[in-house]
Amino acid sequence: AQSVTQPDIHITVSEGASLELRCNYSYGATPYLFWYVQSPGQGLQLLLKYFSGDTLVQGIKGFEAEFKRSQSSFNLRKPSVHWSDAAEYFCAVGRGQAGTALIFGKGTTLSVSS
Amino acid sequence: GAGVSQSPRYKVTKRGQDVALRCDPISGHVSLYWYRQALGQGPEFLTYFNYEAQQDKSGLPNDRFSAERPEGSISTLTIQRTEQRDSAMYRCASSSPGRSYEQYFGPGTRLTVT
Repeated sequence: AQSVTQPDIHITVSEGASLELRCNYSYGATPYLFWYVQSPGQGLQLLLKYFSGDTLVQGIKGFEAEFKRSQSSFNLRKPSVHWSDAAEYFCAVGRGQAGTALIFGKGTTLSVSS
Repeated sequence: GAGVSQSPRYKVTKRGQDVALRCDPISGHVSLYWYRQALGQGPEFLTYFNYEAQQDKSGLPNDRFSAERPEGSISTLTIQRTEQRDSAMYRCASSSPGRSYEQYFGPGTRLTVT
């Protein structure tokens, strides 16, 4: 069965520093992969997605993610973090046929220090 | 345009009562998904619809949970005889034809069973 692991529950990064959030997935075939962000009191917002092709994917708000099949990973990165990036981040994999459902990791909470 | 809306945003109910949670998807979105998110966890799939047809209800935890979407637009998730373990954030998402992998989430309904 598909699964997603986000090893870091909470990360603190200084404003202006770079960020990398880790995501590992378990899936037999080429996965559909997603990163969502959840701010307090808000719904989940799609940051970026990977289906095929170029393994480096650009998203909104300056985020990018790289798909590495050999490591079963889809890590999220940002070169310079802003205080407004503080939120909870979820990695997800499409369950089976694309679009039927998403399987989410437990999330990583990002705090940004000044 | 308007995003996915959910009502009520907060619901407190006593154990044993029935509750109905409503989701109004983005106009034109034919697929609608329900997820449940416990504190400190990622969302977990419950069920989904294409138009009015319930395509997959494998994530519904037991027969106290049901969902409908009679006219292919608004959906209602009903929980009968609520229990304390049902307390969670219930999230709805929708997606457009041909882009079912891009799910747009509503703000959620926070259900508390006392």
